[in-house]
Amino acid sequence: GESVGLHLPTLSVQEGDNSIINCAYSNSASDYFIWYKQESGKGPQFIIDIRSNMDKRQGQRVTVLLNKTVKHLSLQIAATQPGDSAVYFCADPYPWRGGYQKVTFGIGTKLQVIP
Amino acid sequence: GAGVSQSPSNKVTEKGKDVELRCDPISGHTALYWYRQSLGQGLEFLIYFQGNSAPDKSGLPSDRFSAERTGGSVSTLTIQRTQQEDSAVYLCASSFTTSGLLNEQFFGPGTRLTVL
Repeated sequence: GESVGLHLPTLSVQEGDNSIINCAYSNSASDYFIWYKQESGKGPQFIIDIRSNMDKRQGQRVTVLLNKTVKHLSLQIAATQPGDSAVYFCADPYPWRGGYQKVTFGIGTKLQVIP
Repeated sequence: GAGVSQSPSNKVTEKGKDVELRCDPISGHTALYWYRQSLGQGLEFLIYFQGNSAPDKSGLPSDRFSAERTGGSVSTLTIQRTQQEDSAVYLCASSFTTSGLLNEQFFGPGTRLTVL
């Protein structure tokens, strides 16, 4: 069945360095992806999304790259800060048209920022 | 507040007891989702409500799980005869559904359920 998974369960990064979190998906028909950030004791929070007609999308300090050929996503965080410490999920809200998003989430990657 | 709220934030119960978890979605959001997040696992879809349509219950793990949404707003997730494997964080999310547009899901803080 379809699944969305992450390569690294835990990532430790020095403050100020860039972070890269990876995600693989299996549903070749997926055309929309979301990255969520979940801080301890809180629900997931939307960070950035990307549609399959794009290879790259940039936000504030975050960039998402999409490689449809190998069905791979990455989230890049520039100049990682202590406040970035959280679990990051990639999500596949397929299908998203019509408003119904039956979202498949990966396990998540825990990002630890070392001061 | 303007966000999704859930109650209780923590619930400890004994095996075999019934529990009710409550979700108050963002006002005006027509879609409501329940997820379960077990330790070390991803978010597991449980059930979806959209307006007055019949809910999608395909993610409910057993017939001990049920959910209602009254008046298109507040939702209650009920777990009967709880088992230890039901221990998890139960997350609720809501979204404003508009056909063809991004429908970001806003999550509540979750209810941490511990079954002893």
